[in-house]
Amino acid sequence: DGGITQSPKYLFRKEGQNVTLSCEQNLNHDAMYWYRQDPGQGLRLIYYSQIVNDFQKGDIAEGYSVSREKKESFPLTVTSAQKNPTAFYLCASSTLLAGVGEQYFGPGTRLTVT
Amino acid sequence: EDQVTQSPEALRLQEGESSSLNCSYTVSGLRGLFWYRQDPGKGPEFLFTLYSAGEEKEKERLKATLTKKESFLHITAPKPEDSATYLCAVRGSGSRLTFGEGTQLTVNP
Repeated sequence: DGGITQSPKYLFRKEGQNVTLSCEQNLNHDAMYWYRQDPGQGLRLIYYSQIVNDFQKGDIAEGYSVSREKKESFPLTVTSAQKNPTAFYLCASSTLLAGVGEQYFGPGTRLTVT
Repeated sequence: EDQVTQSPEALRLQEGESSSLNCSYTVSGLRGLFWYRQDPGKGPEFLFTLYSAGEEKEKERLKATLTKKESFLHITAPKPEDSATYLCAVRGSGSRLTFGEGTQLTVNP
């Protein structure tokens, strides 16, 4: 089955530790995205990538880092510099074909930092 | 800057009571308006894409419509399983989407 996988589903970390969230897709999509969702709020874009070895900051990139070494993978690292990292993190992907714009989402990772 | 506003924030319906959700938007050069459904603790599920004013899409009890300033998601004779948060997003230039904060729909049996 084609889709997007995120792991783990739940993640717990101590304050001051870096943590990496995994995102893999087998949809052959060129573009991948990371969003953060807080209770009662919409999705806010952290980083996105349209091609391997290239990525752009979204609206809330501070305290996060990403890499795109393979088309299928787009891991997100939440660093100790992120002041309020506890949130629900969503990964998405999309094709870049003209006229097709929808993004498909993974199941999410809920990160709790104490 | 692209902006999306959804209303109401929350909507409670009785089973079979039809209603509509609103998504107002401002975008420079609309290249798509998207509706998603999100269940608690899960990733959003894609529902519809609308590209131009006057376009309509249907899926079971849901129908999405688009004008130059807003989109409506009409829910006809809803069932309890339609309870979810419905998200609207727009795409302007580039590949990124701008999301609204969602409408939380509850359908009581």
